[in-house]
Amino acid sequence: QKEVEQNSGPLSVPEGAIASLNCTYSDRGSQSFFWYRQYSGKSPELIMSIYSNGDKEDGRFTAQLNKASQYVSLLIRDSQPSDSATYLCADHNTGFQKLVFGTGTRLLVSP
Amino acid sequence: NAGVTQTPKFQVLKTGQSMTLQCAQDMNHNSMYWYRQDPGMGLRLIYYSASEGTTDKGEVPNGYNVSRLNKREFSLRLESAAPSQTSVYFCASTEGFGTWEAGELFFGEGSRLTVL
Repeated sequence: QKEVEQNSGPLSVPEGAIASLNCTYSDRGSQSFFWYRQYSGKSPELIMSIYSNGDKEDGRFTAQLNKASQYVSLLIRDSQPSDSATYLCADHNTGFQKLVFGTGTRLLVSP
Repeated sequence: NAGVTQTPKFQVLKTGQSMTLQCAQDMNHNSMYWYRQDPGMGLRLIYYSASEGTTDKGEVPNGYNVSRLNKREFSLRLESAAPSQTSVYFCASTEGFGTWEAGELFFGEGSRLTVL
């Protein structure tokens, strides 16, 4: 079992809708989680980090963490075609030395 | 702002050839990483260097070697390339190794390697 699991998608949503991306992790010791966005042919870029249970909002993005369920999600409100990309979930190993990535979820936002 | 610079961006090798991927960062980061990305596999860590003078294996180190030349530069060497090493390679750097913030990686543009 991979440490960080994501549905590969694609997840298709219409412009203006809320896109919900989900991620589960297996290491109960993980304490910090990250969402990266990767456009096709480009390198990943960090969009959100979350360390505590609950929600963290940044503009149209909300990250949610539930440590009891070992579940992390990313909500994108008012989705735009420019949000079409692959979203990678990642968590830190114990000791914060290595970042482990999921396989990513491809999001398609149609006009 | 150059950030993280990788060279070359594209390379085609024959099986058994060797090559070195170069990576340099100008952000004064202590830690540097090499990942490979294959379709359906996500990003997998090959090697990392927590600080100048140290290197450690990641998930998939076999067939690779690394050198942390100085604080700025971290190279990845394929001694005898195999078709299974066909991939996109990303170098990344971060500050705060061993802390919460070390998950904030800055990536280079990637190097696309094909081994025939």
